Formats: sequence, structure tokens, C-alpha cells
Amino acid sequence: QKEVEQNSGPLSVPEGAIASLNCTYSDRGSQSFFWYRQYSGKSPELIMFIYSNGDKEDGRFTAQLNKASQYVSLLIRDSQPSDSATYLCAVKGYSTLTFGKGTMLLVSP
Amino acid sequence: GAVVSQHPSWVICKSGTSVKIECRSLDFQATTMFWYRQFPKQSLMLMATSNEGSKATYEQGVEKDKFLINHASLTLSTLTVTSAHPEDSSFYICSASTGRAVRTDTQYFGPGTRLTVL
Repeated sequence: QKEVEQNSGPLSVPEGAIASLNCTYSDRGSQSFFWYRQYSGKSPELIMFIYSNGDKEDGRFTAQLNKASQYVSLLIRDSQPSDSATYLCAVKGYSTLTFGKGTMLLVSP
Repeated sequence: GAVVSQHPSWVICKSGTSVKIECRSLDFQATTMFWYRQFPKQSLMLMATSNEGSKATYEQGVEKDKFLINHASLTLSTLTVTSAHPEDSSFYICSASTGRAVRTDTQYFGPGTRLTVL
């Protein structure tokens, strides 16, 4: 059984701060790792993905992957109230994604 | 790019009727499409994977005779919920993948269909 674990939160940060979201996974054969953002009542939207150990930056977002520790994280710099949403970590094997339950992020003005 | 549409966005039906949901990739050809279901305050659960021109692969516990999936072309997949019951009420979301190499292949999600069965 493939498992993806995330702290459900909510994670509360003030506007302008760095938000750090974490995810662990059980399947060592996982190929790539995705972060999606989901606003209440909406479908997930892709933020970014990573498949090599280390950091990958895209604008205000940085994904970090440590395969030895089976750990992936997402940093959001200069957090904005509009970033308030549930962040889903998804782990990909060959073709399908396994999702965590998501971490709710609340950014206060 | 990578836009996926779904229709309808919401539907209310009576128990025992069938409902069809369409999923279209608008600006790319989707080799594979996926159907998910999401109950309130829960994560996405994969229901089935469909490849164009072949039978869908259903996840364990998903009734293939109840949730009929057809992937007729590289841009269209449909999910039909047959003989719907109140417990089928949920948020149904499709996604389409771009069919690149395994590690970089990405799923893009449609806006979802909220089904309410009375």
C-alpha cells in the first residue's frame, strides 16, 4: 500500500513570511513528486514537480526532495493571503498519482 | 497550455438515473486520462485510468459496471455513473496527462463535476 503523509494543519503564517509544507512517502520506487494547490470547492492546480534530489525553484515556490529520507517539501516565499488553500503532495510511480490528504495553509494579512 | 475542461460543472439527479460526465483536453492530446472522486474534507481517490481506444483500468473497490468509462479519442473521456444513489454524491474530477517520459509526465486537472443524487 503506497502511502503519502502530510500534516493536515492548518499551518498559519503571516503575510510575507515563508510557508514550509512537508510530505513523506512510503514507496521507494516513486519516480516523481508533485505539489498541487486546491482552493475550497475547486479542483487541484499544479504548482510544480520534482524528480531529482535537491532543490527546484519556480518563482516564489521551491520544492525540495530527499529520496534517502523519502521526504519532499514545498517552500512558499513572501506568502500572500491568496496562497491560503490546501496543498496536496502527490507521488508518482509509473503512471498513477497517490495523493496525501493535504495541508491547509492560512496566510493572514 | 494544458487546459482540461469538464462538463457539466454540477448536476442534480434522482436516485436510479444515470449521469454522464465529459472530460476534454483542449490544447493537447491526452494519451491517458484519469478519473478521481473526492468526498468532503478528504483527498482525491483515483477511480480509474483510461487510455484512448482501450478498456479502463479500475482501482480496487471501484465497480466497473457502475462507473462506465469511455475514452473514445485523444481529447475526450466520459464517465457515466449508472443507477446513481445518494452515496454516489461526490466531487468527480478528471485529469489528463501529456504522455511524456515517466518522470516528467504531468497530470492536469479539469474543474470537476459536483454530483448530487437525491
